[in-house]
Amino acid sequence: QKEVEQDPGPLSVPEGAIVSLNCTYSNSAFQYFMWYRQYSRKGPELLMYTYSSGNKEDGRFTAQVDKSSKYISLFIRDSQPSDSATYLCAMSADTGNQFYFGTGTSLTVIP
Amino acid sequence: DAGVIQSPRHEVTEMGQEVTLRCKPISGHDYLFWYRQTMMRGLELLIYFNNNVPIDDSGMPEDRFSAKMPNASFSTLKIQPSEPRDSAVYFCASSLTLAGVRNEQFFGPGTRLTVL
Repeated sequence: QKEVEQDPGPLSVPEGAIVSLNCTYSNSAFQYFMWYRQYSRKGPELLMYTYSSGNKEDGRFTAQVDKSSKYISLFIRDSQPSDSATYLCAMSADTGNQFYFGTGTSLTVIP
Repeated sequence: DAGVIQSPRHEVTEMGQEVTLRCKPISGHDYLFWYRQTMMRGLELLIYFNNNVPIDDSGMPEDRFSAKMPNASFSTLKIQPSEPRDSAVYFCASSLTLAGVRNEQFFGPGTRLTVL
C-alpha cells in the first residue's frame, strides 16, 4: 500500500463549479499537509499548507484535514479556467524532511 | 531570485548512454531534493541532501543512478547506463529549514528525459 493515495481523475467541471479533491494516507505520523498545483510542463508550486487537523481558507481555496479518518481535501469555489492543472497532495511527519506525494488529480475547468 | 534552475530542459538519448542532469538550488537553501515524475508512479523522491550531504538515498532505483552535491549551489543526477524505463521528468527542489517548521519545497522546471 502506498503512503498516500489520490484519485488521478481526470476531473472536468464547468466554470463556476465547486471542486473537491481528496487524498487518503496510512501513516499516522503525518502532521504537515500540503497541496501543490502543477501546470502543464511546469514544476509543482505550493498552494496550501496545513499543520495537523482543521480547516484553512485562502480566497477561493479551502484545505481540510481529518486526521481521525486519515483524509484530506481541497475545495475550490467558483472554479476558473485558470485553475486547470494537476493538483498533488503532499504530507510530512515531524521528523525528517521527506515529503510524500500523491500521484496528482488532473483538473480541467471548462469555460 | 531566479528560482531553482535545471538543465537541460529536454534530453533525448539512446539506451546505454550516460545522462547527467544538473540543478542549481535557490541561494541560501540548505536542502536539495531530486524527484522523478511519471504518469504511472507520480512524483517519487530519489534522494535528498542537507548542507551538501546525502541524507536519504533509499529512493534511488538502482546502482545506475548516482547523485552528487559538491557545493551549496550545484547538484548533479547521473544515470549510467540509461534505459528506456528511465524516461520521465526529473525535478530538483530546494528548501530552507527553520527550526520546528516544515518549509515549502521550491521546484525547478524539470528535465524531460527520453531514452530511446
